[in-house]
Amino acid sequence: GQQVMQIPQYQHVQEGEDFTTYCNSSTTLSNIQWYKQRPGGHPVFLIQLVKSGEVKKQKRLTFQFGEAKKNSSLHITATQTTDVGTYFCADGSGNTGKLIFGQGTTLQVKP
Amino acid sequence: NAGVTQTPKFQVLKTGQSMTLQCAQDMNHEYMSWYRQDPGMGLRLIHYSVGAGITDQGEVPNGYNVSRSTTEDFPLRLLSAAPSQTSVYFCASSFGLAENEQFFGPGTRLTVL
Repeated sequence: GQQVMQIPQYQHVQEGEDFTTYCNSSTTLSNIQWYKQRPGGHPVFLIQLVKSGEVKKQKRLTFQFGEAKKNSSLHITATQTTDVGTYFCADGSGNTGKLIFGQGTTLQVKP
Repeated sequence: NAGVTQTPKFQVLKTGQSMTLQCAQDMNHEYMSWYRQDPGMGLRLIHYSVGAGITDQGEVPNGYNVSRSTTEDFPLRLLSAAPSQTSVYFCASSFGLAENEQFFGPGTRLTVL
């Protein structure tokens, strides 16, 4: 069934350092979504990737979808304290009607 | 638009009590779902609905019931609360199906003693 594994679970960085979280699936994904949840808040949609090898950028955030559509990554360049939170990938593949989330990566940024 | 609203924000129950978590959206979204969030477990899908009158089970449906009598509302019922159901519950909605952008409510923090 649908299952996405996300690593690492936690990441502590110094402000200005880069950060990457990875999402992997044993099955081919038709699309992958990324969400951010600030501490005490609710998940907020960031982006959706659909095409093999797709790369999308939002300011300092770069999202990639693997060529085989079995993995995805989110890279943040030069982290800021406003980047603090938990980042989730989610698999909305197939016709199951289910959106399945990875376990999330919690990012802490030291000023 | 209010978006996705959830009530209550906080709730404390005793083991065995029942209650309903309310979720409503005013965006005319067909798809609605319920997730629970526990430390280290991410967001786990409880139940979902692709339209009024249609519901289905997610990853962790045991102990929870849902119904979808209208497009706007998707309540989650705990029939006999257990301490294992202590969690933060999020409702979400979207146009179409699960592959579209999900809009989340602010969440309900539930504690079962």
